[in-house]
Amino acid sequence: DGGITQSPKYLFRKEGQNVTLSCEQNLNHDAMYWYRQDPGQGLRLIYYSQIVNDFQKGDIAEGYSVSREKKESFPLTVTSAQKNPTAFYLCASSPNRGRDTQYFGPGTRLTVL
Amino acid sequence: EDKVVQSPLSLVVHEGDTVTLNCSYEVTNFRSLLWYKQEKKAPTFLFMLTSSGIEKKSGRLSSILDKKELFSILNITATQTGDSAVYLCAVDGLNNAGNMLTFGGGTRLMVKP
Repeated sequence: DGGITQSPKYLFRKEGQNVTLSCEQNLNHDAMYWYRQDPGQGLRLIYYSQIVNDFQKGDIAEGYSVSREKKESFPLTVTSAQKNPTAFYLCASSPNRGRDTQYFGPGTRLTVL
Repeated sequence: EDKVVQSPLSLVVHEGDTVTLNCSYEVTNFRSLLWYKQEKKAPTFLFMLTSSGIEKKSGRLSSILDKKELFSILNITATQTGDSAVYLCAVDGLNNAGNMLTFGGGTRLMVKP
């Protein structure tokens, strides 16, 4: 089955801890993205990567970090510097270095206690 | 499992035509339904709908929600080539962990001159 997977679906962490969200795709897509969605708001772009070993900050990158060592994987670390980390996080990928439709994963709901 | 289905998958029209895009959903605890326009990078937020029967309008775009029949439509009148994009429907559902977005597969609209 081809697709994008995010794990885990629900994640609970204590305040002050770093946490890494997983995003994997087997669609052979070049570009991958991380978004954050808060209740009643649209998606906001955190980071994106158009090719392996390269990534760019989105609109709300502060307090987050990413890596893109493999084409299939784009993990997002939510650091303790992120002031309001509780949110729903969506990963997406697209072929052709991002000049095409984005396909979304199922999302991870992060709750920081 | 929450589910969102959009139809048609793709649509080709000529400038000036009117189009109707459909979104049906099954969600355990419905909070809102969101429409996005996706062209290149981050999807652009269009509408958020929470109440049945109240039309939201923005220029040539309008949308309405039917919570009894569990669907929404997005209308675009007097289409222009700039309306060519993928239109995404997403439903915001609430569970014990917080809000979760479920996306439909999108409708690809192409408007020809």
